[in-house]
Amino acid sequence: NAGVTQTPKFQVLKTGQSMTLQCAQDMNHNSMYWYRQDPGMGLRLIYYSASEGTTDKGEVPNGYNVSRLNKREFSLRLESAAPSQTSVYFCASSAQGNTEAFFGQGTRLTVV
Amino acid sequence: AQSVTQLGSHVSVSEGALVLLRCNYSSSVPPYLFWYVQYPNQGLQLLLKYTTGATLVKGINGFEAEFKKSETSFHLTKPSAHMSDAAEYFCAVTSYSGAGSYQLTFGKGTKLSVIP
Repeated sequence: NAGVTQTPKFQVLKTGQSMTLQCAQDMNHNSMYWYRQDPGMGLRLIYYSASEGTTDKGEVPNGYNVSRLNKREFSLRLESAAPSQTSVYFCASSAQGNTEAFFGQGTRLTVV
Repeated sequence: AQSVTQLGSHVSVSEGALVLLRCNYSSSVPPYLFWYVQYPNQGLQLLLKYTTGATLVKGINGFEAEFKKSETSFHLTKPSAHMSDAAEYFCAVTSYSGAGSYQLTFGKGTKLSVIP
């Protein structure tokens, strides 16, 4: 049982480049989340999806877009990367929004 | 809007000493509360959770936390620290944001160091 799988694990981008972070869960969870983690800032919610077909903005959505492709997959896209988006990105899922979330191993993104 | 405050970004304890990590929350509705642990270069792992019922919650690795509604607190404790407890700990709160959606909000984290 893989749980939550994120790809890639590491990525270096040049300013202005675009990329998509992939996330898939095999636990049949309804809710999925994207967070970014920066030193001293904890985890900040970028976007979340309460169920297939719905997405909502979190605390720091600017510069990002998301797609809930199906129940399993929730991708995060950076259309034009900026150095301020250098961070560790975590995808998470939960059965329902008020149950515990399960996290992927993270994607370490550096924008130069 | 809900928020989570963790007092102390860095806590050091001696091996065998009491661990106390503080968490206060604000929420306009009854919250669900969680503690997660993150080891270096890893994702977050659930330590324990409070949803309803008993206010003293036991988790993995000997940790426990008590929900105190009057103090809006959910402090994490462990009677005797072990070297393997060195990690970063995050308190989180979930509350309903409408239309079947919930938001999970995290505190800024407390890094625990254990001194031999």
